[in-house]
Amino acid sequence: GAVVSQHPSWVICKSGTSVKIECRSLDFQATTMFWYRQFPKQSLMLMATSNEGSKATYEQGVEKDKFLINHASLTLSTLTVTSAHPEDSSFYICSAIGISSGSSYNEQFFGPGTRLTVL
Amino acid sequence: SQQGEEDPQALSIQEGENATMNCSYKTSINNLQWYRQNSGRGLVHLILIRSNEREKHSGRLRVTLDTSKKSSSLLITASRAADTASYFCATALFLIQGAQKLVFGQGTRLTINP
Repeated sequence: GAVVSQHPSWVICKSGTSVKIECRSLDFQATTMFWYRQFPKQSLMLMATSNEGSKATYEQGVEKDKFLINHASLTLSTLTVTSAHPEDSSFYICSAIGISSGSSYNEQFFGPGTRLTVL
Repeated sequence: SQQGEEDPQALSIQEGENATMNCSYKTSINNLQWYRQNSGRGLVHLILIRSNEREKHSGRLRVTLDTSKKSSSLLITASRAADTASYFCATALFLIQGAQKLVFGQGTRLTINP
């Protein structure tokens, strides 16, 4: 149990376009979802925390107008990279915490990641 | 900002040898977790150690935690080629809503040579 999926797994887009990445909890209700960004050979950097039905909380230095997060339901959160540029190319990973996930300590369950390449 | 510093940044050993990775952190924590990431893939949770625990085992993994030094170590015994991956420590900070926010260390890239 406690599976998190991401779609797409990879995407290539032209500079200036917007890209939407989906994060779904498949077998539990995700009350909180997290979005991370990981540059090559670097660690995961938390971008934002989102709770279902409320606005996301962004980490310092992350532009909320650039990275739009919508957590409209207990099983889906989306990250939209608006007007993407080459420097936005990265590996984006989501994680989820939730109800009936089988965890006793609010374990975060991670998605497989989405590789974004902006040309 | 990153909470954890890990060393070494890269480690290459022969199959069968033990691998030790270290993690240091800056603030008080509720628990510390270790994750593995194969190249270009998502994270796999390995083990969690609570702030009131000093050592924990899981299979070939042994984790220690020294809260006075704000450091933790991950030992993988009898390493296998399949252990080749990046390993990250993450400290858990509680959010107001009760969820945990994870702050990751820089990671150690482990290579097991056959």
